[in-house]
Amino acid sequence: GQNIDQPTEMTATEGAIVQINCTYQTSGFNGLFWYQQHAGEAPTFLSYNVLDGLEEKGRFSSFLSRSKGYSYLLLKELQMKDSASYLCAVRDQSGSNDYKLSFGAGTTVTVRA
Amino acid sequence: GAVVSQHPSWVICKSGTSVKIECRSLDFQATTMFWYRQFPKQSLMLMATSNEGSKATYEQGVEKDKFLINHASLTLSTLTVTSAHPEDSSFYICSAHGQGASYEQYFGPGTRLTVT
Repeated sequence: GQNIDQPTEMTATEGAIVQINCTYQTSGFNGLFWYQQHAGEAPTFLSYNVLDGLEEKGRFSSFLSRSKGYSYLLLKELQMKDSASYLCAVRDQSGSNDYKLSFGAGTTVTVRA
Repeated sequence: GAVVSQHPSWVICKSGTSVKIECRSLDFQATTMFWYRQFPKQSLMLMATSNEGSKATYEQGVEKDKFLINHASLTLSTLTVTSAHPEDSSFYICSAHGQGASYEQYFGPGTRLTVT
């Protein structure tokens, strides 16, 4: 199985930058995902990292270090609509587990005016 | 992009009854579908992996006789909560994984189940 840790809550001001860290332990790593989830809704895909380095997509960037079992999601130029839960998920490819995802508990980000 | 739908979006049922939730991939064929459950302010917990034409693989602690999963076609998987109890009240979300090397899972909008 996986141990996936991320902070429970973070608060930031509109226009600022916030970095959400995620550490994981897995037996057969095959990719790390970040999802955004607003209350009462399904998760929406933000980013995917399978190789070390930084992936940039607009205001959102995600970084991965496989040797350290570490990733972060960087949210820039925060907007009020970015207030949501951000889920770190690891995909395992050990055995015949059909590429299933294991999710962290999620980080609730609150953006204040 | 790939779209996954769920039906119903919310349902209220009485204790002891059964509820069926459908998960459909609308514009792609899903060889594998996943069923998650999410309690308030908690993360998604994988319940089972559903492969078309074969039996579902359940996660540890999930009762397969209570949560019946059927994946009869490449675009439809169903989850039936049998003999529902109030503690089964939760947000149930499905996701679908397409054929080939696509890395992404596409999530449905979720179904809110309330058992009274």
